[in-house]
Amino acid sequence: AQSVSQHNHHVILSEAASLELGCNYSYGGTVNLFWYVQYPGQHLQLLLKYFSGDPLVKGIKGFEAEFIKSKFSFNLRKPSVQWSDTAEYFCAVTPSFYGGSQGNLIFGKGTKLSVKP
Amino acid sequence: DGGITQSPKYLFRKEGQNVTLSCEQNLNHDAMYWYRQDPGQGLRLIYYSQIVNDFQKGDIAEGYSVSREKKESFPLTVTSAQKNPTAFYLCASSRGSGRSSDTQYFGPGTRLTVL
Repeated sequence: AQSVSQHNHHVILSEAASLELGCNYSYGGTVNLFWYVQYPGQHLQLLLKYFSGDPLVKGIKGFEAEFIKSKFSFNLRKPSVQWSDTAEYFCAVTPSFYGGSQGNLIFGKGTKLSVKP
Repeated sequence: DGGITQSPKYLFRKEGQNVTLSCEQNLNHDAMYWYRQDPGQGLRLIYYSQIVNDFQKGDIAEGYSVSREKKESFPLTVTSAQKNPTAFYLCASSRGSGRSSDTQYFGPGTRLTVL
């Protein structure tokens, strides 16, 4: 069965530290990849997505992610975090094929990021 | 102002009662989804609908039911058969129509507590 693994349950950083959140998926075919963020008290928002092309994807608020097909990974990065980045981050994947995603967006269990001011 | 609305934000029910959660979207999206979020579990798909009057079970459909009579609306009923109904429920929608590059957008969620 397809699955998504997020390596860290809770990450605590100081402001200005660099961030990398790991995401690995298990699926042998072509995939679409997403990172969503859930700020405290807010709804889930799309941070960035990868469908095809350049494997380095830039999203909102200075986030980026790199798709490494050989490692089945889609790690999220940010060079310098801010207190306002405190949130829960979810990696998600869906198989890509003619006929669409068919609703099977598979989420990781999430990583809580706490940024100390 | 386009988006997805879910009501109510908080819902309390007694054990054994059915409860219906509302989800409405004005994005003209064909596809709609229901997820359940539990602490440390991520999001798990309950039901989804790619088009009006059609829907499919997701990974954890037992104890839930849905309807899709209108494009804009996809209500979820949590029945008394659901053994652990207390959770945060998220509704999402996407353009659908079989696009492999489809992106789902989420509503604010409903937190259901069964007493």
